[in-house]
Amino acid sequence: GQNIDQPTEMTATEGAIVQINCTYQTSGFNGLFWYQQHAGEAPTFLSYNVLDGLEEKGRFSSFLSRSKGYSYLLLKELQMKDSASYLCAVMDSNYQLIWGAGTKLIIKP
Amino acid sequence: GAVVSQHPSWVICKSGTSVKIECRSLDFQATTMFWYRQFPKQSLMLMATSNEGSKATYEQGVEKDKFLINHASLTLSTLTVTSAHPEDSSFYICSASTGPTEAFFGQGTRLTVV
Repeated sequence: GQNIDQPTEMTATEGAIVQINCTYQTSGFNGLFWYQQHAGEAPTFLSYNVLDGLEEKGRFSSFLSRSKGYSYLLLKELQMKDSASYLCAVMDSNYQLIWGAGTKLIIKP
Repeated sequence: GAVVSQHPSWVICKSGTSVKIECRSLDFQATTMFWYRQFPKQSLMLMATSNEGSKATYEQGVEKDKFLINHASLTLSTLTVTSAHPEDSSFYICSASTGPTEAFFGQGTRLTVV
């Protein structure tokens, strides 16, 4: 079956760095997405990786290794507003999105 | 965990016909449901937000008369694409929110209009 795994919850300190991992097993691969979602709000797009390597966008970076079925989202210089859920989603060979359950990130002062 | 069931997972329809997509929260009550559209290899685009018993709030550029959303109960929301055209072919996904916690997503519906 198809599966996306990411930790349920993580806690980090303001100003620090946190890495959220995502492993996947899907029938085919057409890219991996990371989304941020604040409680009660719609998710917002963060990144899309389809080739191996690191994509950097300001304080956020996303890494992909297709051979390992692995991705991570790296958040630097954490701010309180980064407290949210982070969703990993993989697009399979049929262009269907397979979603992870999300990682709730708690930022402490 | 919370499960959101979206049906159908894929549909092919003729141009000019209407298609209804259902989104159900199976084991929780969803105060808010979101409907998204996603074109291949692109990000989700929020179409509308609906709260149970009230009219949906549509995002700019989304035709509310074309994309009818009904949120009749705390466990069911429907999206009807009326008079579908080939340019409406896309991947539609719903998510259901439990309120102050995370929203949960349906599996998505791939619509192809021929």
